[in-house]
Amino acid sequence: AQKVTQAQTEISVVEKEDVTLDCVYETRDTTYYLFWYKQPPSGELVFLIRRNSFDEQNEISGRYSWNFQKSTSSFNFTITASQVVDSAVYFCALSAYNTDKLIFGTGTRLQVFP
Amino acid sequence: EPEVTQTPSHQVTQMGQEVILRCVPISNHLYFYWYRQILGQKVEFLVSFYNNEISEKSEIFDDQFSVERPDGSNFTLKIRSTKLEDSAMYFCASTKHGGGAETGELFFGEGSRLTVL
Repeated sequence: AQKVTQAQTEISVVEKEDVTLDCVYETRDTTYYLFWYKQPPSGELVFLIRRNSFDEQNEISGRYSWNFQKSTSSFNFTITASQVVDSAVYFCALSAYNTDKLIFGTGTRLQVFP
Repeated sequence: EPEVTQTPSHQVTQMGQEVILRCVPISNHLYFYWYRQILGQKVEFLVSFYNNEISEKSEIFDDQFSVERPDGSNFTLKIRSTKLEDSAMYFCASTKHGGGAETGELFFGEGSRLTVL
């Protein structure tokens, strides 16, 4: 069975702090995809990144970075120098190679205070 | 920038009533999806649709639910007889490529909030 666990329900930081959102997944598939989505207060789901299971290189995009470690089944997301606009719920998700279905975690609510 | 649009943004209905939620996917996308999010909970897959038929559905998507692409632009989700537990935010999504190696960015709409009284 596939499962995504985001153990951190809510995180509060002060602007300019770095913050890491944890994501641990379970799957028996050897080929799979991992995703992060952002859900701002307006409610829509905004795609941030997709990573396939064969690509363990860490990725950096501006203030965002992702650390994929197959050995620990984790795909953590770090925001450097957080800003108030980063306040949102962040979802980690998993899909198998041969399916369209995304399995979402329960999300982590990030609040960044000025 | 092209986007997925959903209507209505909020619908209130009585238990037992039929509801139709509408979505206009991005025009050159071929794969369409409905997900739902019960308030404060995780986003759950309902159904995927390609080439005018359902390609995959979850256990949530029972006989009360149906999807349709009636006119080549709209993609609808119908709930025949709503229950209290159907209250949720329903998200439509689309992508150019489907599952497998091409699985990539799912573009989500802003959601339709359904409240069943």
